[in-house]
Amino acid sequence: DAGVTQSPTHLIKTRGQQVTLRCSPKSGHDTVSWYQQALGQGPQFIFQYYEEEERQRGNFPDRFSGHQFPNYSSELNVNALLLGDSALYLCASSAGQGNEQYFGPGTRLTVT
Amino acid sequence: AQSVAQPEDQVNVAEGNPLTVKCTYSVSGNPYLFWYVQYPNRGLQFLLKYITGDNLVKGSYGFEAEFNKSQTSFHLKKPSALVSDSALYFCAVRGLYGNNRLAFGKGNQVVVIP
Repeated sequence: DAGVTQSPTHLIKTRGQQVTLRCSPKSGHDTVSWYQQALGQGPQFIFQYYEEEERQRGNFPDRFSGHQFPNYSSELNVNALLLGDSALYLCASSAGQGNEQYFGPGTRLTVT
Repeated sequence: AQSVAQPEDQVNVAEGNPLTVKCTYSVSGNPYLFWYVQYPNRGLQFLLKYITGDNLVKGSYGFEAEFNKSQTSFHLKKPSALVSDSALYFCAVRGLYGNNRLAFGKGNQVVVIP
């Protein structure tokens, strides 16, 4: 049984560019959450998707957007990249919105 | 708003000695509390959770945590630390039903000395 998978593993982008990160949830999970983990910090909640809709959102600007597909996989899009967007982006899935979240290995984004 | 404090940046412990990683929380209503561990260049691995019931929660890899409502604490413990327990540990809290976001602490680096 595959756990949560994310792609790509690493990504280097230039300021102003746009990026798309992808996540496939653990089998049987229907809810996907995205977190940003800056170096030396704990993960910060970006948003959560359930039934293909954004259900909750953290304190992140509109440059951060997402999508959930019918197969429960999800994408995180970041527009107009800033240097400060450099971080590890973690995807977490759960069976329902209230259950424990299982995390993927993350995508390391570097903005130069 | 919910929040977690992990007061120590690093915890050093000799192999075989008891390990404690401290966490205090702030949340409206009853808390849902979690511990995760992160190894270098890896995602977070779920260790254990407290939802309700017994204040002592047992989790993976011999870890346990004690919920103390009066002190708003949820300290992680292991009776005998292993070198392989060296990693970054995060405490997280989720608040009221319907608020499903996890609020994480800044993490504690645990170093187990052989």
